[in-house]
Amino acid sequence: DAEITQSPRHKITETGRQVTLACHQTWNHNNMFWYRQDLGHGLRLIHYSYGVQDTNKGEVSDGYSVSRSNTEDLPLTLESAASSQTSVYFCASSESRRTNTEAFFGQGTRLTVV
Amino acid sequence: DAKTTQPTSMDCAEGRAANLPCNHSTISGNEYVYWYRQIHSQGPQYIIHGLKNNETNEMASLIITEDRKSSTLILPHATLRDTAVYYCIVRTLGAGNMLTFGGGTRLMVKP
Repeated sequence: DAEITQSPRHKITETGRQVTLACHQTWNHNNMFWYRQDLGHGLRLIHYSYGVQDTNKGEVSDGYSVSRSNTEDLPLTLESAASSQTSVYFCASSESRRTNTEAFFGQGTRLTVV
Repeated sequence: DAKTTQPTSMDCAEGRAANLPCNHSTISGNEYVYWYRQIHSQGPQYIIHGLKNNETNEMASLIITEDRKSSTLILPHATLRDTAVYYCIVRTLGAGNMLTFGGGTRLMVKP
């Protein structure tokens, strides 16, 4: 079955280190998204992509970057991890901009910056 | 996208219908109403969406008022596994499924 997977599921890193969170989907979806969710809050959009070589900034993009070199993957990089980036990160994918199909979410990566 | 307003929390007895309201009084004609839910610590899960007609699927029913300013998600026979945070989101076709999440409604299904 097609799916969307995130890795690692849990990560502890030190302040100032570069960290990359992986997101891989096997639906061949054009759209991919990264969200963060802080305790007791809803999800906030970090970056998104509508296709290969396309990336866009979301609501809370400072300190994060993404690259889209193929359809299946959208890795999220924290250039220099900060304690404020301790959060749960969710990746999502959906078919295309022109359809109203649902978005599928991964199981999340819990990142702790110490 | 239009802003939505939902109650912070609701309780429902197991086996009874859960009716979750959502106000979207500034919705425009080309905006759809979507519902997602998030079960503890998991990724959000799509439930249903609609434009102006009522919709039903295997999970739930969506009732949209005639003026489209509010809607209700109905879980016909709530189970303990339906305990989750439910998000009502309005979105424009062509927005690429970019979802803007509010605070949602925390539904507690009780035995």
